[in-house]
Amino acid sequence: AQSVTQLGSHVSVSEGALVLLRCNYSSSVPPYLFWYVQYPNQGLQLLLKYTSAATLVKGINGFEAEFKKSETSFHLTKPSAHMSDAAEYFCAVSDKGGTYKYIFGTGTRLKVLA
Amino acid sequence: DGGITQSPKYLFRKEGQNVTLSCEQNLNHDAMYWYRQDPGQGLRLIYYSQIVNDFQKGDIAEGYSVSREKKESFPLTVTSAQKNPTAFYLCASSQGGSGTGELFFGEGSRLTVL
Repeated sequence: AQSVTQLGSHVSVSEGALVLLRCNYSSSVPPYLFWYVQYPNQGLQLLLKYTSAATLVKGINGFEAEFKKSETSFHLTKPSAHMSDAAEYFCAVSDKGGTYKYIFGTGTRLKVLA
Repeated sequence: DGGITQSPKYLFRKEGQNVTLSCEQNLNHDAMYWYRQDPGQGLRLIYYSQIVNDFQKGDIAEGYSVSREKKESFPLTVTSAQKNPTAFYLCASSQGGSGTGELFFGEGSRLTVL
């Protein structure tokens, strides 16, 4: 069965510093991968997705992620954190087999320090 | 504007009562989903539907029921059999199959059992 692991349930960075949120997946076949952001008491919004095209994926709000098959990773980065980036971030994987099932990680809450 | 509408946003229930959460989408998406979110556990799939009049159990379907009589509607009933229903519930939809499309989420419904 597929699974997603997000290392670090809480991450703190200073404003202007690099943001790095880690995601590793478990799948025998490279899946489709997604990063979502959630602000308090709201639904999730897509940041970016990987669907077997370019391995470096650029998303909204200056975020990007790199798919590394050898490391089974899809880490999310942003060169310079902004206060508005404070939120919870979820990595998700979907099954290429068309089962319509998306598996989510447990989330990483990002705190940005002034 | 196209999107997903969940209602109510907040709901209080006494033990032993059934409640129904509404989810409506005007994105013309085929697939719809219900997720449950608890702190530190990410999103867990309750039910999903790929097409009208058809739906499948997710990972935590016990104590829940759904219907899909119309393409745009996918209501979730939390029954009295659900032992710990207090949670944040998210409805989502996606276009087509194969898991390539991202999920679009509603704003969520927070259920509290008194």
